[in-house]
Amino acid sequence: AQSVTQLGSHVSVSEGALVLLRCNYSSSVPPYLFWYVQYPNQGLQLLLKYTTGATLVKGINGFEAEFKKSETSFHLTKPSAHMSDAAEYFCAVVSGGYNKLIFGAGTRLAVHP
Amino acid sequence: GAGVSQTPSNKVTEKGKYVELRCDPISGHTALYWYRQSLGQGPEFLIYFQGTGAADDSGLPNDRFFAVRPEGSVSTLKIQRTERGDSAMYLCASSQPDRAAGYTFGSGTRLTVV
Repeated sequence: AQSVTQLGSHVSVSEGALVLLRCNYSSSVPPYLFWYVQYPNQGLQLLLKYTTGATLVKGINGFEAEFKKSETSFHLTKPSAHMSDAAEYFCAVVSGGYNKLIFGAGTRLAVHP
Repeated sequence: GAGVSQTPSNKVTEKGKYVELRCDPISGHTALYWYRQSLGQGPEFLIYFQGTGAADDSGLPNDRFFAVRPEGSVSTLKIQRTERGDSAMYLCASSQPDRAAGYTFGSGTRLTVV
């Protein structure tokens, strides 16, 4: 079975500080992993994804994530937060014979001056 | 089209009424997904189509919910006898058969049952 746990429903950082959003997954087979961002009253926008190959993946808006199989993690980072990064972030997994994405509960990122 | 289109963007209906939500996927995407997102939660899977057929409907909460995709393109999510608990954002996504290509989401339909 697939599942995703996002540690911390709310994260608050100062503008210019490091952003770290945590995601751990459960899967019995190698997964595909995704991070999406959602702004208020909007749909989901893909930030980045890991399928195969390089475990450090870079996405849009300066975000990156590293797939660590030994830790079953796929944490999202950004070196320097910007006010426009304030949004809800979702980690998602798909694996095995399944085609459906399974989402975590989300982390709301607040960026203050 | 260039993206996944969902209509209407907002729908307010009275308890007990029937509603239809429409999703127009990216041209050429054979897979289509419906999700429901309640306030403050992550999206929850409802149903997945591959072509015209529902390949996985395990997420539909009860028999008041039904979805179709008769020509393998546009899909309609139908909710009968709506209840206040059905109020949520309904999201549609489409993808190519290869899951690694990613899933593109529409802007959603905000359903409010009063």
